[in-house]
Amino acid sequence: DIVMTQSPLSLTVTPGEPASISCRSSQSLLHSSGSNYLDWYLQKPGQSPQLLIYLGSTRASGVPDRFSGSGSGTDFTLKINRVEAEDVGVYYCMQAREAPRTFGQGTKVEIK
Amino acid sequence: QVQLQESGPGLVKPSETLSLTCTVSGGSISKDYWSWFRQPPGERLEWIGYIHYSGTTNYNPSLRSRITMSLDTSKNHFSLKMSSVTAADTAVYYCARHYAYGDYPLDFWGQGTLVTVSS
Repeated sequence: DIVMTQSPLSLTVTPGEPASISCRSSQSLLHSSGSNYLDWYLQKPGQSPQLLIYLGSTRASGVPDRFSGSGSGTDFTLKINRVEAEDVGVYYCMQAREAPRTFGQGTKVEIK
Repeated sequence: QVQLQESGPGLVKPSETLSLTCTVSGGSISKDYWSWFRQPPGERLEWIGYIHYSGTTNYNPSLRSRITMSLDTSKNHFSLKMSSVTAADTAVYYCARHYAYGDYPLDFWGQGTLVTVSS
């Protein structure tokens, strides 16, 4: 299985400040199509996960443009331009390059 | 707007079979891929497997010997059965839909249902 490793595991951010989460995979997530098969999800407290980013950098429908995804191969980053109170929760990266799909450990984001 | 709702017993005895159903509204299961996930307390999410409306399935190898997925287009729902459960199968179980583009991300999720394995 592809192992996904996130860092940091927790993050406390002041509203309006940026935040960045790193995700590394044990194998390349670059598909023959030229796209990276890496998604980001946010699980808000008490809720199910919600899709933020797919194909490494494409924002899902309705996701604010303060969220951006970047990276290629085995190293990826999720950036929040200016954190808002509603962004609290646990962020997960998930690889979709091969079955079984696997997730990172999650990064818990809290507001200062 | 597609909505998914998991249902099934919240308590299952060890060695018995866990059975869950995911009912889809606002869309038809007669298209797309549909997955099950689970999240043990305090742990990361785990993909269990998917089923396509054609009946094609793909299961996590770590669980393959114990799981069966099926779907019922007349009821617009799909189901998960997991046999020989142990305490390690205690988790919140989620169903989700794969968006049919690119890397087929999960764009709609159920709210999740907690299943506890205990005698």
